[in-house]
Amino acid sequence: GAVVSQHPSWVICKSGTSVKIECRSLDFQATTMFWYRQFPKQSLMLMATSNEGSKATYEQGVEKDKFLINHASLTLSTLTVTSAHPEDSSFYICSARLAGEVDTQYFGPGTRLTVL
Amino acid sequence: SQQGEEDPQALSIQEGENATMNCSYKTSINNLQWYRQNSGRGLVHLILIRSNEREKHSGRLRVTLDTSKKSSSLLITASRAADTASYFCATVNYLADRGSTLGRLYFGRGTQLTVWP
Repeated sequence: GAVVSQHPSWVICKSGTSVKIECRSLDFQATTMFWYRQFPKQSLMLMATSNEGSKATYEQGVEKDKFLINHASLTLSTLTVTSAHPEDSSFYICSARLAGEVDTQYFGPGTRLTVL
Repeated sequence: SQQGEEDPQALSIQEGENATMNCSYKTSINNLQWYRQNSGRGLVHLILIRSNEREKHSGRLRVTLDTSKKSSSLLITASRAADTASYFCATVNYLADRGSTLGRLYFGRGTQLTVWP
């Protein structure tokens, strides 16, 4: 149980285009989902927290207009990288959390974004 | 900074040997968690140790926590080639989460473990 999927697993796009990444909890309802960014051989940095039905909470330094997060249902959150540039190339990982399980996050497999 | 810091950054051992990775942090915590990440993949939760616990075991894994030294260690006994991965510690600090989402994870940079057959 507690499986989280991400789609796509990898994407290559041209500079200036927008890319949408989906994060789904397959067998549970996730009231909270988290989006992380990871550069090669680096730590996971929390970008934002999304709660179903409300606006996402962004970490300091993360541009809200650049990284649009939507958590429209209890099983789906999306991250849209708008007007992507090469410096946005990274590994994006989401995680999901059950209501009442504050300390447990279930991670997706990640999405590799390459912006040319 | 809430982040943990792992030590060493890289560790290379032979199958059958034990692998020890350390994590240090700077603030108080409610719990500390260890994760494994295979190359280019997501994270797999290994073990959670609470601030009032000193040691936990799970199979070949042994985690210790010393809150006075603000450090934790992960020991993998009788390592296998399949244990090759990056290992991250992550801290949870409810006090730092005030006004925000409770239970946020603060990750260290990880230790890259290579186990040679």
